[in-house]
Amino acid sequence: EADIYQTPRYLVIGTGKKITLECSQTMGHDKMYWYQQDPGMELHLIHYSYGVNSTEKGDLSSESTVSRIRTEHFPLTLESARPSHTSQYLCASRRQGNTGELFFGEGSRLTVL
Amino acid sequence: QQQVKQSPQSLIVQKGGIPIINCAYENTAFDYFPWYQQFPGKGPALLIAIRPDVSEKKEGRFTISFNKSAKQFSLHIMDSQPGDSATYFCAASMTGANNLFFGTGTRLTVIP
Repeated sequence: EADIYQTPRYLVIGTGKKITLECSQTMGHDKMYWYQQDPGMELHLIHYSYGVNSTEKGDLSSESTVSRIRTEHFPLTLESARPSHTSQYLCASRRQGNTGELFFGEGSRLTVL
Repeated sequence: QQQVKQSPQSLIVQKGGIPIINCAYENTAFDYFPWYQQFPGKGPALLIAIRPDVSEKKEGRFTISFNKSAKQFSLHIMDSQPGDSATYFCAASMTGANNLFFGTGTRLTVIP
């Protein structure tokens, strides 16, 4: 079983609030990712990191930001949440050089009212 | 533009049946094709994967068939069980790439 954890699992907040979704992994993986998942849609990559102090934007434009200060921690922040940010956010990691095999957390379901 | 097209969107089979989920891609640079299984409330988990140098890969009751010339690959689940009820995602990537491109998912229901 993958050792990657996301908190909170569920969050309902009002428009304009700042939120941070936490993601931590204990596998020592260098590469970490944030995906956005909506029903009936493919998973869209919104951010990724190849290691400490490395962050890049993914294919899907997102108003969120990420940081990678420690190998095991990859939080995602929304400075001012809007209803359009309502979605499921999935964090994932994989070993450096291991094509494709992603280990996912259980997700954070965000609802912005 | 969707890199990987997946069908059907949903599938219902009787226990013991053989559901088949199909995916197609355009980018011939893709060289890794995994399938992920996702149960409700959980994140996706790698189920089985194939590279284009083989036409078929089998792991237990799960088989990937790969047709390089048609740029298609499919997942077959033999002797399906109610516990196989989940959403299945195909994906594709290329060596050195930073991303996996996912299909839109197939919700499979296996009726007892």
